[in-house]
Amino acid sequence: DAKTTQPTSMDCAEGRAANLPCNHSTISGNEYVYWYRQIHSQGPQYIIHGLKNNETNEMASLIITEDRKSSTLILPHATLRDTAVYYCIVRPTYVRGNKLVFGAGTILRVKS
Amino acid sequence: ETGVTQSPTHLIKTRGQQVTLRCSSQSGHNTVSWYQQALGQGPQFIFQYYREEENGRGNFPPRFSGLQFPNYSSELNVNALELDDSALYLCASSQSVLAGSETQYFGPGTRLLVL
Repeated sequence: DAKTTQPTSMDCAEGRAANLPCNHSTISGNEYVYWYRQIHSQGPQYIIHGLKNNETNEMASLIITEDRKSSTLILPHATLRDTAVYYCIVRPTYVRGNKLVFGAGTILRVKS
Repeated sequence: ETGVTQSPTHLIKTRGQQVTLRCSSQSGHNTVSWYQQALGQGPQFIFQYYREEENGRGNFPPRFSGLQFPNYSSELNVNALELDDSALYLCASSQSVLAGSETQYFGPGTRLLVL
């Protein structure tokens, strides 16, 4: 079962920042927060992950609260191509048969 | 550096038939995971292969089986196909280490339709 809670859908204006929240109140100390997105009928695309500190890469920023019970994925300047389902996943550090447990995700619609 | 590739892209089978799906892992990756994604749902973990051995399995019946080859490519085999097996089948590769996170990178998927 997914250990995260995300809003079902969100809208964002093109060119504005998209802030996607995720609750993971039962996260353990050795669990990472991962974000993937899936554009219609394609394979999930890795975006970013983090453990405790905020992270930034060329695609997005990940803000994790100090208590680690929630996080926010930020797409700084959303474009129409960012319309997708965004999945927030918590995953432990290496364990045998490590797997990703996907929930329903958030449908982000970027509108012009 | 090549990414994860899967073949075929689309496939149509009939109930009771058998199917083999193929996956080539990303360069330098030694672990392959397979997922099934039914329409409108998130991907569900089928199993994972690490160094040619099954390294974990989800809640799928034994008619779902797999192989990993010395070059780390992998096959997913499904016997006695059922209508509910119609789905997008996703392969993800990663580089496993003894400790630390390992990011899985997905291929484009194979769309299977069972009639």
